[in-house]
Amino acid sequence: KQEVTQIPAALSVPEGENLVLNCSFTDSAIYNLQWFRQDPGKGLTSLLLIQSSQREQTSGRLNASLDKSSGRSTLYIAASQPGDSATYLCAVGNMLTFGGGTRLMVKP
Amino acid sequence: DAMVIQNPRYQVTQFGKPVTLSCSQTLNHNVMYWYQQKSSQAPKLLFHYYDKDFNNEADTPDNFQSRRPNTSFCFLDIRSPGLGDAAMYLCATRQGRNSYNEQFFGPGTRLTVL
Repeated sequence: KQEVTQIPAALSVPEGENLVLNCSFTDSAIYNLQWFRQDPGKGLTSLLLIQSSQREQTSGRLNASLDKSSGRSTLYIAASQPGDSATYLCAVGNMLTFGGGTRLMVKP
Repeated sequence: DAMVIQNPRYQVTQFGKPVTLSCSQTLNHNVMYWYQQKSSQAPKLLFHYYDKDFNNEADTPDNFQSRRPNTSFCFLDIRSPGLGDAAMYLCATRQGRNSYNEQFFGPGTRLTVL
């Protein structure tokens, strides 16, 4: 059974810092990995999708990498802003097994 | 814009009173999913439809049912809600079952059980 872990569970940084969120998964036989953002009380916004044959995807200040063999993905956020404050979730597989999320706070 | 729509956004029901949550999509995707997300927890898959083919997760309670009358609509029925069923319910869609494609989520319905 696929298990997904995200570290750290919570992170607080000053505005402008570059930061890395980590995601690990136990079964490397995946089609893809998605990173989502969730604001309090809201639904999920898809940030990046990495297909299993890809190693990274970029969108604006976000860069996600995937290392299938080691069962790891990272989400890199450059020049963080207070508006980036949210919970970030990674999910793997067709049925989307989610990690527990990283709650990010960016302080002005 | 093509999207996933959930109604209502907030639903209050009484203990044991049946409730139905609605999801519609304009993406014309053939797979639709229902997830349950309890406070401070990750979303958990309840079931999914591949076209009309219904697939229940092994640990989804019998209290939860679903209907998909056509490609665009999917409903979640909770027959006798308990206090433990209070959660955010998220609907998602994707084109292709075993695919490399992205899942798109609706805004969710927050269910309160009194």
